[in-house]
Amino acid sequence: DTEVTQTPKHLVMGMTNKKSLKCEQHMGHRAMYWYKQKAKKPPELMFVYSYEKLSINESVPSRFSPECPNSSLLNLHLHALQPEDSALYLCASSQELDRTEAFFGQGTRLTVV
Amino acid sequence: ELKVEQNPLFLSMQEGKNYTIYCNYSTTSDRLYWYRQDPGKSLESLFVLLSNGAVKQEGRLMASLDTKARLSTLHITAAVHDLSATYFCAVDFINQAGTALIFGKGTTLSVSS
Repeated sequence: DTEVTQTPKHLVMGMTNKKSLKCEQHMGHRAMYWYKQKAKKPPELMFVYSYEKLSINESVPSRFSPECPNSSLLNLHLHALQPEDSALYLCASSQELDRTEAFFGQGTRLTVV
Repeated sequence: ELKVEQNPLFLSMQEGKNYTIYCNYSTTSDRLYWYRQDPGKSLESLFVLLSNGAVKQEGRLMASLDTKARLSTLHITAAVHDLSATYFCAVDFINQAGTALIFGKGTTLSVSS
């Protein structure tokens, strides 16, 4: 199994809503990542988890709250988002946090209205 | 600050022609990654280049890495329409907190007959 699975694929939420994005991998990877990608832009790193601990937080606003309940799951909790937060949110995983190939999920297309 | 620069950013090619995409980076990384992204889709790993002088080929695409020049190239041979996509190079960003991929801006390739 070489898949990273993200749910939902599409999400529309209001600025007062609370929602969560989910990411799952069963490759035994110990590093997991959240990236944000705006249209016609490269992916931008948001968070890195290594062995279920937050390793890197790229100065992301607190309305985005990551969580890693176990080594296979990564969540991104969303609260009080702004329309400019609308983007493709990509989850990725790699075998270790030591410069290895990252596998990406299909992404969640988020629209904030 | 790590910089990853791709050029060109846009490339319009005729079928059957050859062309090269360049990726320059500012860190002393010895690993470089190429990804493909189709519109509205996620990132697909194309090549992982692990050392100086590495060369990998898959179909009409060939990637190489020169760590001394901090340069990678993605060469397209006899382009076909199916190669139309956005191509990203990415480099490991390493600090005390951890490691993650940092992407170039991407090269949008359009192949027409």
